[in-house]
Amino acid sequence: EAGVVQSPRYKIIEKKQPVAFWCNPISGHNTLYWYLQNLGQGPELLIRYENEEAVDDSQLPKDRFSAERLKGVDSTLKIQPAELGDSAVYLCASSLEGDTEAFFGQGTRLTVV
Amino acid sequence: KNQVEQSPQSLIILEGKNCTLQCNYTVSPFSNLRWYKQDTGRGPVSLTIMTFSENTKSNGRYTATLDADTKQSSLHITASQLSDSASYICVVSHYNTDKLIFGTGTRLQVFP
Repeated sequence: EAGVVQSPRYKIIEKKQPVAFWCNPISGHNTLYWYLQNLGQGPELLIRYENEEAVDDSQLPKDRFSAERLKGVDSTLKIQPAELGDSAVYLCASSLEGDTEAFFGQGTRLTVV
Repeated sequence: KNQVEQSPQSLIILEGKNCTLQCNYTVSPFSNLRWYKQDTGRGPVSLTIMTFSENTKSNGRYTATLDADTKQSSLHITASQLSDSASYICVVSHYNTDKLIFGTGTRLQVFP
């Protein structure tokens, strides 16, 4: 069975440009997470979905970040416009339910120049 | 404030040696505590997950312990291998919100 799939693996963009990341969770997993991870730090939650509903987006910078999970399956995370400080690894994870084991994708490494 | 703190921040050991990583948390109430291994450039991979009623769980050469009274956990690695070189992250799940609270990790390097 395929794990959590993210694309692209790497992305380099100029500041002020838009960028989008895509995540396909493990089949049947209702909960989907987007995390941001800076070098040498633990992941920080951006948004958590239960099916298609965003149940925790308190840490999502809504002025420039947006996310959607239409149909409660795959999800996209968008940044517009990107800033230099957005350079980080963006991780997607999924779990059957909120309190069960979370499986992570390999992440998208974003570099903003 | 719900926090997870790990020590040491980094650790270097020789291949074949044992080591123990520490995790202290203030998350309350909590439902489970997890240890993840994260190789460079990869996403975290789950090693163990323990509920408050469990005090030890093993996964091959990895053994996690949990003391819910003192809010401490440890991850013991036996007979280390070069492939154990990675970051090890302690994660605590908050009981009421299901929110995962991550530690900053311990960076382990195993040398031959």
